[in-house]
Amino acid sequence: QVQLQESGPGLVKPSETLSLTCTVSGGSISSYYWSWIRQPPGKGLEWIGYIYYSGSTNYNPSLKSRVTISVDASKNQFSLKLSSVTAADTAIYYCARDREEYQLLFAFQHWGQGTLVTVSS
Amino acid sequence: QSALTQPASVSGSPGQSITISCTGTSSDVGSYNLVSWYQQHPGKAPKLMIYEVSKRPSGVSNRFSGSKSGNTASLTISGLQAEDEADYYCCSYAGSSSWGVFGGGTKLTVL
Repeated sequence: QVQLQESGPGLVKPSETLSLTCTVSGGSISSYYWSWIRQPPGKGLEWIGYIYYSGSTNYNPSLKSRVTISVDASKNQFSLKLSSVTAADTAIYYCARDREEYQLLFAFQHWGQGTLVTVSS
Repeated sequence: QSALTQPASVSGSPGQSITISCTGTSSDVGSYNLVSWYQQHPGKAPKLMIYEVSKRPSGVSNRFSGSKSGNTASLTISGLQAEDEADYYCCSYAGSSSWGVFGGGTKLTVL
């Protein structure tokens, strides 16, 4: 059974760059679409962007200017960078995998446990 | 990119059926059969309950069903059980300009 685990700093200063990594175990990163999704405390879910195992990406237009998602297939990992963060970026950040190989369905079958990132000085 | 519209809360008694709506536009829900639904219990990651409007992943109870009419998708839960009390979110593909959009979430209370 595939498992996802987010890792990275839990505290980031305003104006700095948030960096998180998602490590995939129990399966290969190949052939699937991988997304980052966030949830501010007490609020709803927001899709941030996805990367295909080949490296192609697409992002939420509202975050596009600040987001970079990359993949390291040799480590079975993909990463998120969000620049120029503010308090509004404080959220639980989840990594997730679409359910079908080679298909972008926005059907997130597998999720990490989530990691809380707080933006504060 | 606007969020899909869901009611903030719904409630029902054990054994009853409830329906949660998810209203989008002709650019997202209305144009694509790529609507999914998620259940989230407090402190937990979301769980996929429905995908491609009406398909159920293996292991999800057949008490959960999905449908779509025009720009509105719906999640119906029949035979409500106490364990169904959770937050529910819809999600839709929104084309190559917006990609993915979630609803604001609905809190289901089992009375």
